[in-house]
Amino acid sequence: DQQVKQNSPSLSVQEGRISILNCDYTNSMFDYFLWYKKYPAEGPTFLISISSIKDKNEDGRFTVFLNKSAKHLSLHIVPSQPGDSAVYFCAASEMGAGGTSYGKLTFGQGTILTVHP
Amino acid sequence: EAGVAQSPRYKIIEKRQSVAFWCNPISGHATLYWYQQILGQGPKLLIQFQNNGVVDDSQLPKDRFSAERLKGVDSTLKIQPAKLEDSAVYLCASSLGGGQFFGPGTRLTVL
Repeated sequence: DQQVKQNSPSLSVQEGRISILNCDYTNSMFDYFLWYKKYPAEGPTFLISISSIKDKNEDGRFTVFLNKSAKHLSLHIVPSQPGDSAVYFCAASEMGAGGTSYGKLTFGQGTILTVHP
Repeated sequence: EAGVAQSPRYKIIEKRQSVAFWCNPISGHATLYWYQQILGQGPKLLIQFQNNGVVDDSQLPKDRFSAERLKGVDSTLKIQPAKLEDSAVYLCASSLGGGQFFGPGTRLTVL
């Protein structure tokens, strides 16, 4: 049972344009969501997160939107740069007492983003 | 601040052999995780430690996989005996109760 799904295996965009990566989840207990970026031969690195009490979180070129009723979140990268080319993973967990990720992360399958110069 | 260290980075073994992976988390991080990432899939949690105690090992195939974190710092993950389907990247992560920081992983190939 895939509780977190990224239905687009790959995405290709032109440098300077917007990249939109999508993620859907089925478990209504999830209330904290994260995006990780992964380069080849490296571990995933944290990019941005959002808790269920918000519908938007922004950090520089990266914005995450959460639609709880649709159980859907998306990551927007504006403007996209060639260095953003990587695999992007959506992850979900139940929020802990400190207001951040509780612990166990459930990951999606990943989306390969390629940004062309 | 040093990141999460893992070794070896690559390992090739034949099926039915044994293999062990090592992880050194970020200093002071009480929580340590082992994930398995099969090609084309996202990481899947195998086991979570809080200090040297197991918090969650519900997805660890206990007939062949074992893990320990004896002194609440370093951890080892062992597979004995290995199967072809164990070919994957094994990721270690640590946290101080918040975000998880990942190591570079160990790529295991079982022939």
